[in-house]
Amino acid sequence: KNEVEQSPQNLTAQEGEFITINCSYSVGISALHWLQQHPGGGIVSLFMLSSGKKKHGRLIATINIQEKHSSLHITASHPRDSAVYICAALSYNTDKLIFGTGTRLQVFP
Amino acid sequence: DTAVSQTPKYLVTQMGNDKSIKCEQNLGHDTMYWYKQDSKKFLKIMFSYNNKELIINETVPNRFSPKSPDKAHLNLHINSLELGDSAVYFCASSQGREGFYNEQFFGPGTRLTVL
Repeated sequence: KNEVEQSPQNLTAQEGEFITINCSYSVGISALHWLQQHPGGGIVSLFMLSSGKKKHGRLIATINIQEKHSSLHITASHPRDSAVYICAALSYNTDKLIFGTGTRLQVFP
Repeated sequence: DTAVSQTPKYLVTQMGNDKSIKCEQNLGHDTMYWYKQDSKKFLKIMFSYNNKELIINETVPNRFSPKSPDKAHLNLHINSLELGDSAVYFCASSQGREGFYNEQFFGPGTRLTVL
């Protein structure tokens, strides 16, 4: 079992829908990253957070340290949001980044 | 202007060969990384350098040797390539010495295929 688990593995949505991607981790962490990998392969950092909530445009990331859980929300989803979303937890003990297996999102017009 | 660039984008080679992948960043960042993404799209950190100093060296075979001639460059040399080395290799950089506490900027990736 991975130390960082994401759900769902695959997600399809209609344009305009509200999307939630979940990330649960079993290790103590200092911070958590959300990354987006485009269909062409490029990777972009979306958020780095250690508590609370961050918002950037239509994207919102939240983290609950006590519950060891983070969520990435996309409001008013659009086909260009189609990508793989990856969470990565920064282990407090080892200072290493542990990646989840990713959530593949497809948004249809 | 490209922030983090890698060359080559694609690399196809025979088993047993030695090859290098180059990475350059023009962001003025102090820390650079190499990641490997396997066929199942699972990302894993390989190395991290801060100002030409090796910070992280994961359990990577010693056939892989990173070289940082200056803080803007981090190259990856692989000796005696094996089939299992086939993957996409991503270079990344971040500001400061705090490494993973800062936003990472990724290169476009190098797809290595070992035949």
